[in-house]
Amino acid sequence: GQQLNQSPQSMFIQEGEDVSMNCTSSSIFNTWLWYKQDPGEGPVLLIALYKAGELTSNGRLTAQFGITRKDSFLNISASIPSDVGIYFCAGSSNGNEKLTFGTGTRLTIIP
Amino acid sequence: EADIYQTPRYLVIGTGKKITLECSQTMGHDKMYWYQQDPGMELHLIHYSYGVNSTEKGDLSSESTVSRIRTEHFPLTLESARPSHTSQYLCASRGEGGGWEKLFFGSGTQLSVL
Repeated sequence: GQQLNQSPQSMFIQEGEDVSMNCTSSSIFNTWLWYKQDPGEGPVLLIALYKAGELTSNGRLTAQFGITRKDSFLNISASIPSDVGIYFCAGSSNGNEKLTFGTGTRLTIIP
Repeated sequence: EADIYQTPRYLVIGTGKKITLECSQTMGHDKMYWYQQDPGMELHLIHYSYGVNSTEKGDLSSESTVSRIRTEHFPLTLESARPSHTSQYLCASRGEGGGWEKLFFGSGTQLSVL
C-alpha cells in the first residue's frame, strides 16, 4: 500500500525558532494535507494543497505541494508554545476515497 | 466548528467483553470514517461508509465491525475485546462533494483492554 514518510520524527526547538518538516511518498498524490494533533484529541486541519507547486500560507504556517507530487513541506515561523504537538501530513490520489497519513513529527519547545 | 462526537472518551475493559464505540455527527455528512491510532503513530483507516447501509473495510485489517443505519450515526463494535485492540479510535466525517479539507475528526476514544 501507499506509504508516507515524515521527517524529522521529532524536533526539540526553542521558542521563536523556525521549523521545517517534510513528507515523502512512494507514489503520486493529487491532494496533500497537513494536520496538528494535540494529546487526547483528533487531528485538526492546518493547510490543504491541491496543485503541484502550490505554496499556501495560514498565519505563521506555510506548506508546499512538491512538483513531483510525491512530497510536501511544512514550515512554521517564529514558533510559540502552543505549536507543541504532533504534525501529520496526509495524501490522497485521484478517485481514491482513502486518506493516507504520514508517520508524524513531534514538536517540543524547550524553555 | 465541527459537530462530531465520540463516546466514551476513555474505556478500560477486560478481555472478552463486547464493546461499542459511538460516533455521531450533526452535519448531515454522507461519508464517515473510522481510524485506529497507536500513541504518537500514524492513523490507519479501518472502516468507512458512503452513506446509509454502506460500509467498507479500510486498509488496516480489523476485527471490529461497523453499521450505518442512520446518516448521523456510525458505531464501531468489537465482539470480544483483546489486549491487542488497545489503541485510540478516531471517527471522522465529510459531506458529499466536500474535498478533504471538509474532513472533520472527533476527539477519539482511548480504549484499553486488560
